[in-house]
Amino acid sequence: DIQMTQSPSSLSASVGDRVTITCRASQGISNYLAWYQQKPGKVPKLLIYAASTLQSGVPSRFSGSGSGTDFTLTISSLQSEDVATYYCQKYYSAPFTFGPGTKVDIK
Amino acid sequence: EVQLLESGGGLVQPGGSLRLSCAASGFTFSSYAMSWVRQALGKGLEWVSVISDNGGSTNYADSVKGRFTISRDNSESTLYLQMNSLRADDTAVYYCAKGRGAIRGAFDYWGLGTLVTVSS
Repeated sequence: DIQMTQSPSSLSASVGDRVTITCRASQGISNYLAWYQQKPGKVPKLLIYAASTLQSGVPSRFSGSGSGTDFTLTISSLQSEDVATYYCQKYYSAPFTFGPGTKVDIK
Repeated sequence: EVQLLESGGGLVQPGGSLRLSCAASGFTFSSYAMSWVRQALGKGLEWVSVISDNGGSTNYADSVKGRFTISRDNSESTLYLQMNSLRADDTAVYYCAKGRGAIRGAFDYWGLGTLVTVSS
Protein backbone atom coordinates (compact mmCIF):
# COMPACT_ATOMS: atom_id res chain seq x y z
CA ASP A 1 0.00 0.00 0.00
CA ILE A 2 1.05 3.60 -0.59
CA GLN A 3 2.20 5.36 2.58
CA MET A 4 1.67 9.06 3.27
CA THR A 5 4.07 11.16 5.33
CA GLN A 6 3.86 14.79 6.40
CA SER A 7 6.40 17.29 7.66
CA PRO A 8 6.73 18.92 9.99
CA SER A 9 4.62 17.13 12.60
CA SER A 10 4.01 20.46 14.29
CA LEU A 11 4.89 24.09 13.83
CA SER A 12 4.46 27.38 15.59
CA ALA A 13 4.30 30.60 13.59
CA SER A 14 3.27 34.21 14.03
CA VAL A 15 0.13 35.80 12.66
CA GLY A 16 0.85 36.95 9.14
CA ASP A 17 3.59 34.40 8.49
CA ARG A 18 3.71 32.21 5.42
CA VAL A 19 3.33 28.56 6.43
CA THR A 20 4.17 25.53 4.30
CA ILE A 21 3.32 21.91 5.05
CA THR A 22 4.71 19.06 2.99
CA CYS A 23 3.07 15.73 2.18
CA ARG A 24 4.86 12.87 0.44
CA ALA A 25 3.46 9.68 -1.05
CA SER A 26 5.59 6.55 -1.21
CA GLN A 27 4.49 6.04 -4.83
CA GLY A 28 3.06 8.34 -7.46
CA ILE A 29 -0.57 9.30 -7.02
CA SER A 30 -0.88 11.82 -9.87
CA ASN A 31 -2.91 14.69 -8.38
CA TYR A 32 -5.34 12.57 -6.33
CA LEU A 33 -4.46 14.41 -3.14
CA ALA A 34 -6.67 16.28 -0.69
CA TRP A 35 -5.96 18.52 2.29
CA TYR A 36 -8.19 18.77 5.36
CA GLN A 37 -8.27 21.11 8.33
CA GLN A 38 -9.45 19.87 11.71
CA LYS A 39 -9.87 22.43 14.45
CA PRO A 40 -9.85 21.20 18.07
CA GLY A 41 -13.08 19.38 18.87
CA LYS A 42 -14.44 19.83 15.36
CA VAL A 43 -15.12 17.74 12.29
CA PRO A 44 -12.52 17.67 9.51
CA LYS A 45 -13.10 20.16 6.71
CA LEU A 46 -12.02 19.77 3.10
CA LEU A 47 -9.69 22.59 2.02
CA ILE A 48 -8.19 21.43 -1.26
CA TYR A 49 -8.75 18.56 -3.66
CA ALA A 50 -7.00 17.45 -6.82
CA ALA A 51 -3.81 18.73 -5.17
CA SER A 52 -4.49 22.38 -6.00
CA THR A 53 -8.24 23.05 -6.35
CA LEU A 54 -9.67 25.17 -3.56
CA GLN A 55 -12.92 23.85 -2.12
CA SER A 56 -15.79 26.32 -2.31
CA GLY A 57 -15.85 28.74 0.60
CA VAL A 58 -12.24 28.20 1.66
CA PRO A 59 -10.22 31.42 2.05
CA SER A 60 -7.82 32.17 -0.76
CA ARG A 61 -4.85 32.32 1.64
CA PHE A 62 -4.86 28.52 1.40
CA SER A 63 -3.25 26.97 -1.66
CA GLY A 64 -1.96 23.59 -2.71
CA SER A 65 0.56 22.37 -5.23
CA GLY A 66 2.34 19.26 -6.37
CA SER A 67 1.87 16.11 -8.38
CA GLY A 68 3.20 12.58 -8.32
CA THR A 69 4.76 12.06 -4.91
CA ASP A 70 5.42 15.53 -3.45
CA PHE A 71 2.77 18.01 -2.39
CA THR A 72 2.56 21.20 -0.37
CA LEU A 73 -0.14 23.12 1.46
CA THR A 74 0.62 26.81 1.89
CA ILE A 75 -1.09 29.35 4.10
CA SER A 76 0.04 32.69 2.68
CA SER A 77 -0.71 34.74 5.79
CA LEU A 78 -1.45 32.77 8.94
CA GLN A 79 -4.50 33.87 10.91
CA SER A 80 -5.45 32.99 14.48
CA GLU A 81 -8.42 30.99 13.22
CA ASP A 82 -6.07 28.72 11.28
CA VAL A 83 -4.94 26.98 14.47
CA ALA A 84 -5.70 23.36 13.63
CA THR A 85 -4.27 20.04 12.57
CA TYR A 86 -3.88 19.62 8.82
CA TYR A 87 -4.06 16.24 7.10
CA CYS A 88 -3.27 15.18 3.57
CA GLN A 89 -5.07 12.20 2.04
CA LYS A 90 -4.54 10.23 -1.11
CA TYR A 91 -7.58 9.00 -3.03
CA TYR A 92 -5.88 7.60 -6.13
CA SER A 93 -7.00 4.11 -5.11
CA ALA A 94 -8.08 2.40 -1.91
CA PRO A 95 -6.91 2.45 0.83
CA PHE A 96 -7.57 6.20 0.98
CA THR A 97 -4.79 6.77 3.47
CA PHE A 98 -4.41 9.95 5.50
CA GLY A 99 -1.09 11.46 6.47
CA PRO A 100 -0.24 11.62 10.20
CA GLY A 101 -1.14 15.29 10.45
CA THR A 102 0.62 18.61 11.08
CA LYS A 103 -0.41 20.63 14.10
CA VAL A 104 -0.26 24.39 13.55
CA ASP A 105 -0.42 26.92 16.36
CA ILE A 106 0.34 30.57 16.93
CA LYS A 107 3.68 31.66 18.35
CA GLU B 1 -28.05 21.62 2.62
CA VAL B 2 -26.04 18.41 2.82
CA GLN B 3 -26.45 16.59 6.12
CA LEU B 4 -24.92 13.36 7.35
CA LEU B 5 -26.13 11.99 10.68
CA GLU B 6 -24.44 8.99 12.24
CA SER B 7 -26.03 6.78 14.86
CA GLY B 8 -25.52 3.40 16.49
CA GLY B 9 -22.40 4.02 18.51
CA GLY B 10 -22.04 2.98 22.13
CA LEU B 11 -20.26 0.76 24.60
CA VAL B 12 -19.64 -2.84 23.54
CA GLN B 13 -17.56 -5.65 25.01
CA PRO B 14 -14.52 -7.02 23.19
CA GLY B 15 -15.64 -9.59 20.65
CA GLY B 16 -19.04 -7.96 20.33
CA SER B 17 -20.83 -6.40 17.38
CA LEU B 18 -22.30 -3.04 16.52
CA ARG B 19 -24.02 -1.57 13.48
CA LEU B 20 -23.51 2.06 12.61
CA SER B 21 -25.88 4.01 10.38
CA CYS B 22 -25.46 7.29 8.54
CA ALA B 23 -28.60 9.04 7.30
CA ALA B 24 -27.90 11.34 4.37
CA SER B 25 -29.93 14.23 3.00
CA GLY B 26 -29.54 17.28 0.79
CA PHE B 27 -27.89 15.54 -2.17
CA THR B 28 -28.47 12.65 -4.58
CA PHE B 29 -27.15 9.91 -2.31
CA SER B 30 -27.12 7.25 -5.05
CA SER B 31 -24.63 9.25 -7.15
CA TYR B 32 -21.70 9.33 -4.75
CA ALA B 33 -19.24 7.02 -3.05
CA MET B 34 -19.42 7.03 0.72
CA SER B 35 -16.76 6.24 3.30
CA TRP B 36 -16.27 5.63 6.97
CA VAL B 37 -13.35 7.32 8.74
CA ARG B 38 -12.46 6.89 12.40
CA GLN B 39 -10.42 8.84 14.92
CA ALA B 40 -9.25 7.54 18.25
CA LEU B 41 -9.11 10.12 21.03
CA GLY B 42 -6.15 12.41 20.50
CA LYS B 43 -5.04 10.55 17.37
CA GLY B 44 -5.13 11.16 13.64
CA LEU B 45 -7.68 10.27 11.01
CA GLU B 46 -7.88 6.65 9.84
CA TRP B 47 -9.80 5.75 6.70
CA VAL B 48 -11.87 2.59 7.34
CA SER B 49 -13.95 1.68 4.29
CA VAL B 50 -15.51 2.93 1.06
CA ILE B 51 -18.51 1.86 -1.00
CA SER B 52 -19.21 2.99 -4.56
CA ASP B 53 -22.35 4.81 -5.60
CA ASN B 54 -24.31 1.69 -6.52
CA GLY B 55 -22.79 -0.51 -3.82
CA GLY B 56 -21.05 -2.69 -6.36
CA SER B 57 -17.54 -1.99 -5.13
CA THR B 58 -16.22 -1.94 -1.58
CA ASN B 59 -12.80 -1.61 0.01
CA TYR B 60 -11.47 -1.84 3.55
CA ALA B 61 -8.45 -0.86 5.59
CA ASP B 62 -6.33 -3.88 6.49
CA SER B 63 -7.07 -3.20 10.17
CA VAL B 64 -10.78 -4.01 9.72
CA LYS B 65 -10.81 -6.36 6.73
CA GLY B 66 -12.80 -9.51 7.47
CA ARG B 67 -14.46 -7.96 10.54
CA PHE B 68 -16.31 -4.90 9.19
CA THR B 69 -18.82 -4.74 6.34
CA ILE B 70 -19.92 -1.55 4.62
CA SER B 71 -23.27 -1.37 2.84
CA ARG B 72 -25.80 1.17 1.66
CA ASP B 73 -29.51 1.47 0.96
CA ASN B 74 -29.92 4.03 -1.79
CA SER B 75 -33.72 3.93 -1.49
CA GLU B 76 -33.35 5.12 2.11
CA SER B 77 -30.25 7.31 1.57
CA THR B 78 -28.52 5.46 4.38
CA LEU B 79 -24.99 4.13 4.79
CA TYR B 80 -24.14 1.32 7.20
CA LEU B 81 -21.10 -0.20 8.87
CA GLN B 82 -21.50 -3.62 10.44
CA MET B 83 -18.69 -4.14 12.93
CA ASN B 84 -18.01 -7.65 14.28
CA SER B 85 -15.28 -9.11 16.48
CA LEU B 86 -14.66 -5.71 17.97
CA ARG B 87 -11.37 -5.02 19.73
CA ALA B 88 -10.21 -2.36 22.14
CA ASP B 89 -8.25 -0.64 19.36
CA ASP B 90 -11.49 -0.11 17.41
CA THR B 91 -12.47 2.47 20.04
CA ALA B 92 -12.89 5.77 18.19
CA VAL B 93 -15.26 8.36 16.85
CA TYR B 94 -16.61 7.05 13.56
CA TYR B 95 -17.44 9.58 10.84
CA CYS B 96 -19.30 8.98 7.61
CA ALA B 97 -18.06 11.07 4.73
CA LYS B 98 -19.33 11.82 1.24
CA GLY B 99 -16.94 11.45 -1.67
CA ARG B 100 -16.89 13.91 -4.53
CA GLY B 101 -17.19 11.14 -7.09
CA ALA B 102 -19.06 7.91 -7.77
CA ILE B 103 -16.13 5.64 -6.95
CA ARG B 104 -13.52 7.83 -5.28
CA GLY B 105 -12.83 11.45 -4.49
CA ALA B 106 -11.99 13.77 -1.68
CA PHE B 107 -14.47 13.89 1.20
CA ASP B 108 -16.41 17.13 0.90
CA TYR B 109 -18.97 16.54 3.64
CA TRP B 110 -18.61 14.83 7.00
CA GLY B 111 -21.05 13.86 9.72
CA LEU B 112 -20.56 14.83 13.33
CA GLY B 113 -19.48 11.32 14.24
CA THR B 114 -20.61 8.60 16.63
CA LEU B 115 -18.46 7.26 19.45
CA VAL B 116 -17.72 3.56 19.66
CA THR B 117 -16.13 2.31 22.87
CA VAL B 118 -14.92 -1.28 23.11
CA SER B 119 -14.30 -2.21 26.72
CA SER B 120 -15.20 -4.83 29.29
